[in-house]
Amino acid sequence: EPEVTQTPSHQVTQMGQEVILRCVPISNHLYFYWYRQILGQKVEFLVSFYNNEISEKSEIFDDQFSVERPDGSNFTLKIRSTKLEDSAMYFCASSELPTGLPDYGYTFGSGTRLTVV
Amino acid sequence: LAKTTQPISMDSYEGQEVNITCSHNNIATNDYITWYQQFPSQGPRFIIQGYKTKVTNEVASLFIPADRKSSTLSLPRVSLSDTAVYYCLVGARGGTGRRALTFGSGTRLQVQP
Repeated sequence: EPEVTQTPSHQVTQMGQEVILRCVPISNHLYFYWYRQILGQKVEFLVSFYNNEISEKSEIFDDQFSVERPDGSNFTLKIRSTKLEDSAMYFCASSELPTGLPDYGYTFGSGTRLTVV
Repeated sequence: LAKTTQPISMDSYEGQEVNITCSHNNIATNDYITWYQQFPSQGPRFIIQGYKTKVTNEVASLFIPADRKSSTLSLPRVSLSDTAVYYCLVGARGGTGRRALTFGSGTRLQVQP
């Protein structure tokens, strides 16, 4: 079964530092997403990405965040200057097969646990 | 987006059938119903989706009445490994709609031996 791969699984960073979270979506998916989940809270949408540009973003996704698909396989989330409240699990997901193929929802990765100290 | 309501938690024993009902009174005509499962420290995992009547796969069944204002996820003969949080989501195009997914608090299922 195809998987969404995220690295690293756990990252500890100091407040104010930049972090880049990496994801390899399923190869023939067209849409890519980042979600986060603060410990004990709901899974929250951050951003969706399609055709090399952001298609939707939430209020959480402010100027400190950016996404990029630097090559044909990787999808990254950058946090420029981390804050304590950025500590959370960050999940990458991909979806949407080419037209005509069954839609089986999103496929989420296992997440990156980001700890800001 | 249609709001969903589901029980906060449920308890069951191994081997029993578990039914989790979700209310979505404001479901739109083009909305699908999708269920996800989440284990601790893992990303949500797609379980099943449907539009009306009954859908069954190797993991679960989804029952949707004619008015589509609710749906029931049925897990046959649960095991300890089914202990997880289960989310009901409603949206266009099978739950993706090329839009953000909105997760609620889900139903925390605890399976006891």
